[in-house]
Amino acid sequence: AQSVTQLDSQVPVFEEAPVELRCNYSSSVSVYLFWYVQYPNQGLQLLLKYLSGSTLVKGINGFEAEFNKSQTSFHLRKPSVHISDTAEYFCAVIPNYGGSQGNLIFGKGTKLSVKP
Amino acid sequence: NAGVTQTPKFRILKIGQSMTLQCTQDMNHNYMYWYRQDPGMGLKLIYYSVGAGITDKGEVPNGYNVSRSTTEDFPLRLELAAPSQTSVYFCASTFLRQGVTYEQYFGPGTRLTVT
Repeated sequence: AQSVTQLDSQVPVFEEAPVELRCNYSSSVSVYLFWYVQYPNQGLQLLLKYLSGSTLVKGINGFEAEFNKSQTSFHLRKPSVHISDTAEYFCAVIPNYGGSQGNLIFGKGTKLSVKP
Repeated sequence: NAGVTQTPKFRILKIGQSMTLQCTQDMNHNYMYWYRQDPGMGLKLIYYSVGAGITDKGEVPNGYNVSRSTTEDFPLRLELAAPSQTSVYFCASTFLRQGVTYEQYFGPGTRLTVT
């Protein structure tokens, strides 16, 4: 079975400061890794994904994440946040094996609050 | 392309009532999913479908039913609504082939309140 842990439920940060949202996963098989963003009262939008290759993945809106296999982590970073980045962020995995049904297994989410 | 559409956007049900949440995608995706989102809990899989006529249970299927008569549509049925089904429901779809998964596309969600 797979599980995803987002270590911080809420992260307050000032505008233009850097931010890191932490994500760890547990799985007996290899996984694909994703970060989704949910703005208030909206659906989920894909920020970035790691399928294979370079462990540093760049996404939309200036976000990036680094896959660390030994630490089973996929932390999300942005060097300078904007007020518009205020949202809830979800880390998720899809197990990578022949019988996978492709469903996302989500963490509980991290609410990023950017203050002026 | 409209992507994934869901109706209604909001609904209030009384305990014991029934309703169907509609989901349609126009991307010719073979896999479709229903998730529910509860505050502080992330999203959990209710049901999924790998193609027309094929559905299966996810993590939290109790109290729900689904059908997939066409590639495009994947309705979610609540037969006897209970307060525990108060949640936001998201439909998603993707194209999955030979174990390689592509991006899941989400609908805008249906906010359901059962009182």
